[in-house]
Amino acid sequence: SQKIEQNSEALNIQEGKTATLTCNYTNYSPAYLQWYRQDPGRGPVFLLLIRENEKEKRKERLKVTFDTTLKQSLFHITASQPADSATYLCAPLDGNNRLAFGKGNQVVVIP
Amino acid sequence: NAGVTQTPKFRILKIGQSMTLQCAQDMNHNYMYWYRQDPGMGLKLIYYSVGAGITDKGEVPNGYNVSRSTTEDFPLRLELAAPSQTSVYFCASSYSGQGNTGELFFGEGSRLTVL
Repeated sequence: SQKIEQNSEALNIQEGKTATLTCNYTNYSPAYLQWYRQDPGRGPVFLLLIRENEKEKRKERLKVTFDTTLKQSLFHITASQPADSATYLCAPLDGNNRLAFGKGNQVVVIP
Repeated sequence: NAGVTQTPKFRILKIGQSMTLQCAQDMNHNYMYWYRQDPGMGLKLIYYSVGAGITDKGEVPNGYNVSRSTTEDFPLRLELAAPSQTSVYFCASSYSGQGNTGELFFGEGSRLTVL
């Protein structure tokens, strides 16, 4: 069955450092993958989309990579700030042409 | 634009009661979705709609019903509430379908507890 894995442990990181999150998927080949940010008690907010033919995508301090051989996407926050503290959701497109959401990975940026 | 508006934000139901979660969007999006989010789990698609008058089941539709009489509104009906329906419900909309890289715009969620 199709599966999406994000690290269940929170990532604690010092302000100014780069946070790196991993999204692994198995048993399908998504045409694209989206990343969302979710703050406590709020709805997810779209951040970035990367297509299968794109290796890397950037938006301000965010960078996403997509390795279709490894079946993995990496999400980087450079020069992290306390305001970046949130849960980040990975959402590849599944075989039914719908987004399948991972459980999310919490980031805590320590001042 | 208000975006996607959900009501109520919180609700407690007794087992067997029914209720409707309201969702409205003012972005003229054709596509609308209902998800549920349980603690430690990813968002699960309940129902979706590709336009007024058209709805379809998602991954976890049992115990729910939807309708789409207008482009703006997409209410979710819970019949005979059960404790397993305790969750946070999110409504979302998109300009294009998810198969066409449709970015989702989410509401703030409705937290439902069934006792």
